[in-house]
Amino acid sequence: GQQLNQSPQSMFIQEGEDVSMNCTSSSIFNTWLWYKQDPGEGPVLLIALYKAGELTSNGRLTAQFGITRKDSFLNISASIPSDVGIYFCAGPIPLLNTGGFKTIFGAGTRLFVKA
Amino acid sequence: EPEVTQTPSHQVTQMGQEVILRCVPISNHLYFYWYRQILGQKVEFLVSFYNNEISEKSEIFDDQFSVERPDGSNFTLKIRSTKLEDSAMYFCASSERGLLNSPLHFGNGTRLTVT
Repeated sequence: GQQLNQSPQSMFIQEGEDVSMNCTSSSIFNTWLWYKQDPGEGPVLLIALYKAGELTSNGRLTAQFGITRKDSFLNISASIPSDVGIYFCAGPIPLLNTGGFKTIFGAGTRLFVKA
Repeated sequence: EPEVTQTPSHQVTQMGQEVILRCVPISNHLYFYWYRQILGQKVEFLVSFYNNEISEKSEIFDDQFSVERPDGSNFTLKIRSTKLEDSAMYFCASSERGLLNSPLHFGNGTRLTVT
């Protein structure tokens, strides 16, 4: 089935550094989503991308939907300690019976920020 | 901002016992989901629910699992006879429409510990 591959698995960075992580798939997605999960909480939507080539920002976060629709990256600029968490890419897969979608997730990138 | 709420936040149960995990999705949302996250691993799709019936389920969602929307607000996941390997975080999610531009909103999860 369709899978999302995230890299790197984990990152250890210094506060103030910029961060880049990416997500690839062997098949096309029509939407790419980036979620963040803080310890003990559910994933929270950061950025949604709907068009190939789209570049979207949310504060210090910037994400791009690859032109082939098979990849996306997320950048975090000037990282701060509260950026710590797991970042997941996700994409919806159509449910043929109902016309709805289920969303699948990558394995996540664990970000550690040292103050 | 409206949110998905889950109860309890932590459930400890003995192997073989039945558990019911409860969720109140966002009120105007029509699509409901359960996901599972084993400690340190990815968020895995279990089941989607629309129009009072299951629209898709994963291989994990075997005969021991069931979902119900008993009234207009609650959405429950029942595990009939828990196994040790059912220990995980269980997340409920909802979306307004089953469309590409209607991302999932997650609750904070129920941590299920089976002893």
